[in-house]
Amino acid sequence: EVQLLESGGALVQPGGSLRLSCAASGFTFSNYAMSWVRQAPGKGLEWVSFISGGSVSTHYADSVKGRFTVSRDNSKNTLFLQMSTLRAEDTAIYYCAKVMVPAAPGFDYWGQGTLVTVSS
Amino acid sequence: DIQMTQSPSSLSASVGDRVTITCRASQSISSYLNWYQQKPGEAPKLLIYATSSLQSGVPSRFSGSGSGTQFTLTISSLQPEDFATYYCQQAYSPEYTFGQGTILEI
Repeated sequence: EVQLLESGGALVQPGGSLRLSCAASGFTFSNYAMSWVRQAPGKGLEWVSFISGGSVSTHYADSVKGRFTVSRDNSKNTLFLQMSTLRAEDTAIYYCAKVMVPAAPGFDYWGQGTLVTVSS
Repeated sequence: DIQMTQSPSSLSASVGDRVTITCRASQSISSYLNWYQQKPGEAPKLLIYATSSLQSGVPSRFSGSGSGTQFTLTISSLQPEDFATYYCQQAYSPEYTFGQGTILEI
């Protein structure tokens, strides 16, 4: 059974940093790209970042480019999102998601999310 | 960046109704269009990928169609568990943009 478990969400002050983790199980982690998606309170889904299975390719939403860094440790089946220079508008539930095969790149499994609150 | 626009933003319907939600892309995305369902307090769930392929376990009352810039999600006969928010997502570019969502209400 595929499972994705996010952790690391917290209350952080504006300008601060935070690292989110997503522990994966139930599939060959290194074979699949992964993404982060966030959802501000009461708002819609916003794609945040993408990383290929071998970490060769990464992509970011304009809203986080230069502030967030996605990475993964395939030996530990774990995905990360390093967030810095956090702003109030980064407040959201952050989901990690498994990307299907390149020919049909939907997000077929999602974690339960971890809440990041940016506030003084 | 590719922009995704859904319509309507909200929709009221009854059990048994046939409903259609539309998603428009700002440029051609071929058939790289996915649909998700999200219920309050839950993570999104993939319903349809690549425009019309039903994800495993999703009831056949859900269907998708379209190509290029115009896509639709159809629910043939609404069930009580279908009342939720629906999002389209383009997967043509690696900036996997979502639409703003359509709230389907009773």
